Amino acid sequence: NAGVTQTPKFRILKIGQSMTLQCTQDMNHNYMYWYRQDPGMGLKLIYYSVGAGITDKGEVPNGYNVSRSTTEDFPLRLELAAPSQTSVYFCASRQGAAVGYTFGSGTRLTVV
Amino acid sequence: AQSVTQPDIHITVSEGASLELRCNYSYGATPYLFWYVQSPGQGLQLLLKYFSGDTLVQGIKGFEAEFKRSQSSFNLRKPSVHWSDAAEYFCAVGPNNAGNMLTFGGGTRLMVKP
Repeated sequence: NAGVTQTPKFRILKIGQSMTLQCTQDMNHNYMYWYRQDPGMGLKLIYYSVGAGITDKGEVPNGYNVSRSTTEDFPLRLELAAPSQTSVYFCASRQGAAVGYTFGSGTRLTVV
Repeated sequence: AQSVTQPDIHITVSEGASLELRCNYSYGATPYLFWYVQSPGQGLQLLLKYFSGDTLVQGIKGFEAEFKRSQSSFNLRKPSVHWSDAAEYFCAVGPNNAGNMLTFGGGTRLMVKP
């Protein structure tokens, strides 16, 4: 099993550009999440999904959008990139509350 | 709202010494608690979890954690640290809500001296 796969691993964007961070899981998990990680701040939840077709905002959703058309895929869209979106982005999935997340390896994004 | 505090941003221990990383949470009911480890440039790996039963839980790589309801704590311990344990450690809390999402602490970076 591949688990949770994120692409790309690294990306440099110019201010105002847009991009999509891809996330795919092959474990048939219902719950999927996007977090951003900033130094000393832990992980902050951007968006989450409880199943195909259902998404909801987390703690820091501004500047991002998501979709969940299939169980496997949960892409994160950045529109009009800003320097404040420079961060490491992690996608995660889980099947239920009593199990932990399975994390992807992350995408390091720099906006210049 | 739930929250997690890891009071120590950085900790340095000598190889072979014991380790305790602190985690305090705020949540109204019995929480689900987790510890994750992140090696440089990597994703987060689950070390251990607690959601009911015995308050002392064992995890991978020789780690254990103890849930203390009276202190709202879930500290991570290891009797003898190895150089390969150098990493960042995150405590997380998650209620059994519709989204099942976790709230993470700010992390503790562990350095191991030879």
